[in-house]
Amino acid sequence: TQLLEQSPQFLSIQEGENLTVYCNSSSVFSSLQWYRQEPGEGPVLLVTVVTGGEVKKLKRLTFQFGDARKDSSLHITAAQPGDTGLYLCAGVDSNYQLIWGAGTKLIIKP
Amino acid sequence: KAGVTQTPRYLIKTRGQQVTLSCSPISGHRSVSWYQQTPGQGLQFLFEYFSETQRNKGNFPGRFSGRQFSNSRSEMNVSTLELGDSALYLCASSTLGQGNYGYTFGSGTRLTVV
Repeated sequence: TQLLEQSPQFLSIQEGENLTVYCNSSSVFSSLQWYRQEPGEGPVLLVTVVTGGEVKKLKRLTFQFGDARKDSSLHITAAQPGDTGLYLCAGVDSNYQLIWGAGTKLIIKP
Repeated sequence: KAGVTQTPRYLIKTRGQQVTLSCSPISGHRSVSWYQQTPGQGLQFLFEYFSETQRNKGNFPGRFSGRQFSNSRSEMNVSTLELGDSALYLCASSTLGQGNYGYTFGSGTRLTVV
């Protein structure tokens, strides 16, 4: 059974602080996606990373795919209350199946 | 363009009943996937349909079924509802499916079984 482990599971920080969320696996993925989900809504795709070592930036969010394509990280600079939500990573395995992490619940306090 | 539309948004059913949920994907998207989301289990894959054919299926009992119509709209059905079926059911569409291009999710149907 393939697993995608996200850490931390829960994070509560003050506005303006920086944070990093990790997504790790022993399996290789052809691509990895990050989503943000707000309460009562469906996840919204933030980014897809495909190439090992790839770095993508989305305003204050920086996404990195590990060189071996087994892990990824999401770094948020100067977090704002609007960043609050559940962050989910999902990797596409060799059978084209989407493997989901359990999510990181992020709360940014004003 | 319109997003993924799921109906109804909220549903309360009694144990033993059956329920049908509907999903209209983004125009042009041929792949529709269904997920069950609960606080304890996270996102659990139910099944994926592509061009009216079920392409993948998760580890759920046969009480959970689905179908896709020629216009790509999809329905999922849960028969003989159990209390543990209470969850947020999410539908996601994509152009080709198989994960690589990312999915667009609907807002979900919140099912409560009492």
